[in-house]
Amino acid sequence: NAGVTQTPKFRVLKTGQSMTLLCAQDMNHEYMYWYRQDPGMGLRLIHYSVGEGTTAKGEVPDGYNVSRLKKQNFLLGLESAAPSQTSVYFCASSYGLAAYEQYFGPGTRLTVT
Amino acid sequence: GQQLNQSPQSMFIQEGEDVSMNCTSSSIFNTWLWYKQDPGEGPVLLIALYKAGELTSNGRLTAQFGITRKDSFLNISASIPSDVGIYFCAVANAGGTSYGKLTFGQGTILTVHP
Repeated sequence: NAGVTQTPKFRVLKTGQSMTLLCAQDMNHEYMYWYRQDPGMGLRLIHYSVGEGTTAKGEVPDGYNVSRLKKQNFLLGLESAAPSQTSVYFCASSYGLAAYEQYFGPGTRLTVT
Repeated sequence: GQQLNQSPQSMFIQEGEDVSMNCTSSSIFNTWLWYKQDPGEGPVLLIALYKAGELTSNGRLTAQFGITRKDSFLNISASIPSDVGIYFCAVANAGGTSYGKLTFGQGTILTVHP
């Protein structure tokens, strides 16, 4: 039981490049989330999904897109990376009935130059 | 904007000491949680509080949900080196279309000297 996994672990992008971060969970959780963590700011919700085929915006959605084609996977896309998107990105998942008790992945450290 | 304030921002303690940290909000929330983040890893849930006034323990950890629903504290007794990390409070107003959306505080960084 791997829990929540994220790929890649590290990535460096040039401004304007695109990339996709992959999150996978094997706990059959209905809900999945993408957060970003910046120094001194805690975690901020980017997008979330309450089920396969559904996504919704969180607190800081601009510049990101997401897709949830399969229940176990949640993808975060950056179409045109900007230096302001340099951050550590965390994926999380939870059961719908205990939505606030979230399980987090190990994170992806992204640097945009 | 940032609705939660965690204090202190950082703590340096000796192994064996007790620790207390606080989280306050300008708004009322009906769900309070405490997460811990080890260096280089994702946060892990420590304690979830769903009822105002509730006091909950998890091993050496004790947390309380303030009766005003605007604050919570986390205590760690007899600290050990593996308590090192960042402790986050997180809040939500459960129900309706909240769908697990959490607001996190900025964290309290704990360092434990052996």
